[in-house]
Amino acid sequence: DVKVTQSSRYLVKRTGEKVFLECVQDMDHENMFWYRQDPGLGLRLIYFSYDVKMKEKGDIPEGYSVSREKKERFSLILESASTNQTSMYLCASQSGRWTYEQYFGPGTRLTVT
Amino acid sequence: AQSVTQLDSHVSVSEGTPVLLRCNYSSSYSPSLFWYVQHPNKGLQLLLKYTSAATLVKGINGFEAEFKKSETSFHLTKPSAHMSDAAEYFCVVSAFISNFGNEKLTFGTGTRLTIIP
Repeated sequence: DVKVTQSSRYLVKRTGEKVFLECVQDMDHENMFWYRQDPGLGLRLIYFSYDVKMKEKGDIPEGYSVSREKKERFSLILESASTNQTSMYLCASQSGRWTYEQYFGPGTRLTVT
Repeated sequence: AQSVTQLDSHVSVSEGTPVLLRCNYSSSYSPSLFWYVQHPNKGLQLLLKYTSAATLVKGINGFEAEFKKSETSFHLTKPSAHMSDAAEYFCVVSAFISNFGNEKLTFGTGTRLTIIP
């Protein structure tokens, strides 16, 4: 069964802290994605990766960076957390370049105070 | 560029009555279209997808959607609502990212479906 896990369901951090959100998939998928979900805005793509050590900016990359050192793991990094980064963060993975279904993790609800 | 508009942010129906969730899209290419569902405190799950084959697409849990190019619509329907259908539904369009030939998804803002007992 397909599985995408995220390191925390809930996280509370202070303004200015460095925050790491981890995502692991066990399906040997090439593609991985980070989204943030906000009420009334749907899901917006932050960063994605089509291969190990490869990353591309999505629609809203400002204030974020990512790391993909191993195929199964994709990390989202908030270099200096701010209150406007309080949100639900969703990780997804996808097999290959020509298939379309993305498999999502349960999400991490991050609160920055 | 592609975009998707979900015409209703909230829909309420009685159990046993039909469900209609509306979606219009815009795409520079021949689009692929999807509906995803998100139950409370759960990740998103694919409900159904259209990828240029049959225009009427059947998905899981009795849902279906019809691709209408002339109307640029991809509305989601179900003949009879069940209490377990209460969730948030996202209409999604895909487009190719030219640099790498890969597709990326653009999500609508979501429709929250409430089922009245």
